[in-house]
Amino acid sequence: DQQVKQNSPSLSVQEGRISILNCDYTNSMFDYFLWYKKYPAEGPTFLISISSIKDKNEDGRFTVFLNKSAKHLSLHIVPSQPGDSAVYFCAARGETSGSRLTFGEGTQLTVNP
Amino acid sequence: EPEVTQTPSHQVTQMGQEVILRCVPISNHLYFYWYRQILGQKVEFLVSFYNNEISEKSEIFDDQFSVERPDGSNFTLKIRSTKLEDSAMYFCASSAGGTTVRKFFGPGTRLTVL
Repeated sequence: DQQVKQNSPSLSVQEGRISILNCDYTNSMFDYFLWYKKYPAEGPTFLISISSIKDKNEDGRFTVFLNKSAKHLSLHIVPSQPGDSAVYFCAARGETSGSRLTFGEGTQLTVNP
Repeated sequence: EPEVTQTPSHQVTQMGQEVILRCVPISNHLYFYWYRQILGQKVEFLVSFYNNEISEKSEIFDDQFSVERPDGSNFTLKIRSTKLEDSAMYFCASSAGGTTVRKFFGPGTRLTVL
């Protein structure tokens, strides 16, 4: 299942700099996109979402951008903090898939002090 | 913030045995889900449950799997005859509504089938 893809398995940034995590999708029927963060031994924790009718959503240090024509979304974290170090999952919900979420592979973000 | 809880945190079983994974969703949520993540792979949807019945299931959720809400608080996933390939992290989730985008996930149960 390649409908949601995160091509970078890992990303390392310095504290205080911007982290940019990317996600691509193939299913044009997705109507909502979400980012989850996951620490070891914990379940995924919701971070931020965006509807397909928008191109940007911001919540504090986290901003998600959606480019529908490119079928691409990104999560920006500014400024990055060591506590942001975790696996970040992109997920999508389809108009016709009920409530199920389709996840990407995840990107391990490491923020170095 | 309210949270979803799961027990046990780690379950080891022999191939062919039945296992029951338990979850306590957030108390005022009405929609419940199971997802799993095989090591090194994506988080995958298994099943959604509402009003005491399955509302949606994936191709993974075959006859070996079943879900139940035996009382007002627990939500269980049963695997009738476990296979080696069932080894994975199983996450329970809940949401307030069926179209609610945000789902709250539990910490997961690591199932190891030997």
